[in-house]
Amino acid sequence: GAVVSQHPSRVICKSGTSVKIECRSLDFQATTMFWYRQFPKQSLMLMATSNEGSKATYEQGVEKDKFLINHASLTLSTLTVTSAHPEDSSFYICSASALRGAPGDEQFFGPGTRLTVL
Amino acid sequence: AQTVTQSQPEMSVQEAETVTLSCTYDTSESDYYLFWYKQPPSRQMILVIRQEAYKQQNATENRFSVNFQKAAKSFSLKISDSQLGDAAMYFCAYRSAWDWGGSEKLVFGKGTKLTVNP
Repeated sequence: GAVVSQHPSRVICKSGTSVKIECRSLDFQATTMFWYRQFPKQSLMLMATSNEGSKATYEQGVEKDKFLINHASLTLSTLTVTSAHPEDSSFYICSASALRGAPGDEQFFGPGTRLTVL
Repeated sequence: AQTVTQSQPEMSVQEAETVTLSCTYDTSESDYYLFWYKQPPSRQMILVIRQEAYKQQNATENRFSVNFQKAAKSFSLKISDSQLGDAAMYFCAYRSAWDWGGSEKLVFGKGTKLTVNP
């Protein structure tokens, strides 16, 4: 099946620094990538939807200037958490939909990135 | 907006027994897709089964089957011959069929934690 990777898998940073998380589709081209946040024992919360070559669409309540998303190619999307604070500590998951995919097609999920802000 | 409700935060089953996880959803759309995802302790999201709303036949994947009741907006997952490896969080998800190209987002329920007892 299709593979989505995320890097890094874990990151610890100091408060006030910025952290970049990469999401790559390894064996397929992804028109759209989704970024989720998951708190312990909770469901996935969609943060934003990114389409290659265009601005990301953010969900209500998600700060665009804090969570910068770039989808520069059909295989790579990045999420940058700017000026991270302890409350940004969470598990971040990306998923990808294949180019010219249908709504019923599977979204492929990355393994997630655990961010800890000290 | 569509919503997905999983009313069972936790469920348990004996190994080799059968368990059913409940999911209801709310939508005004007539065409959509429903999914069950599994998230084991590794946190990797895995697609278990999908159902197309316009298909009356319930989807089946080996030991996993669904009971799709469109009029009742119910989509339960039945796991037969439960195995220890089935222990995980299970998320029910909805996706509209209106937008092709893969950009339509998944709407997740809050999840059900399944424990399998040996």
